[in-house]
Amino acid sequence: NAGVMQNPRHLVRRRGQEARLRCSPMKGHSHVYWYRQLPEEGLKFMVYLQKENIIDESGMPKERFSAEFPKEGPSILRIQQVVRGDSAAYFCASSPLREGPSYNEQFFGPGTRLTVL
Amino acid sequence: AQSVTQPDIHITVSEGASLELRCNYSYGATPYLFWYVQSPGQGLQLLLKYFSGDTLVQGIKGFEAEFKRSQSSFNLRKPSVHWSDAAEYFCAVGRGNNNDMRFGAGTRLTVKP
Repeated sequence: NAGVMQNPRHLVRRRGQEARLRCSPMKGHSHVYWYRQLPEEGLKFMVYLQKENIIDESGMPKERFSAEFPKEGPSILRIQQVVRGDSAAYFCASSPLREGPSYNEQFFGPGTRLTVL
Repeated sequence: AQSVTQPDIHITVSEGASLELRCNYSYGATPYLFWYVQSPGQGLQLLLKYFSGDTLVQGIKGFEAEFKRSQSSFNLRKPSVHWSDAAEYFCAVGRGNNNDMRFGAGTRLTVKP
């Protein structure tokens, strides 16, 4: 069973370009989470999605950032008009469908390291 | 608001010495607690987790952690550190209501020969 896959692993963009980060959850997982790790910091929650639904985007910057998880295909984190401050590692995690109030463990991908020149 | 605090930004220990990394959380409901390790340029590897039951949790690579509700702590320990343990360690709390996670800022471990 393949784990969470993210691509590309490394992405270089110039200021003003768009960045698209992809995340394929583990087989059978229907929940996806995106986290951002700035240099020398811990991971910060960005957004939580289910198929075709954004559940919680409280950690997403208000502008330029968007995320989707379509019915078919990977989840996409899109950053428009990137700036140097967007340089970070972006991690995706997935979990299975929740049953009841208990917590469902998240499984993390290897991350995409975005560098903005 | 929920939060996770790792008071030590950087710790240096000698190889073979014991290790304790501190983690305190602030969360009103039942916490789901995790420790992850991250080597430079790498992803996260789960060391151990606490959901319920025995408050002393055993993990991989010889690590263990103890959940102390009265102190809101979940400290990570290892009796004898190896040079390969040098990495960044993150404590995290999972929120049952939304299933997301909150991470501490991390503790960087350096191991002296």
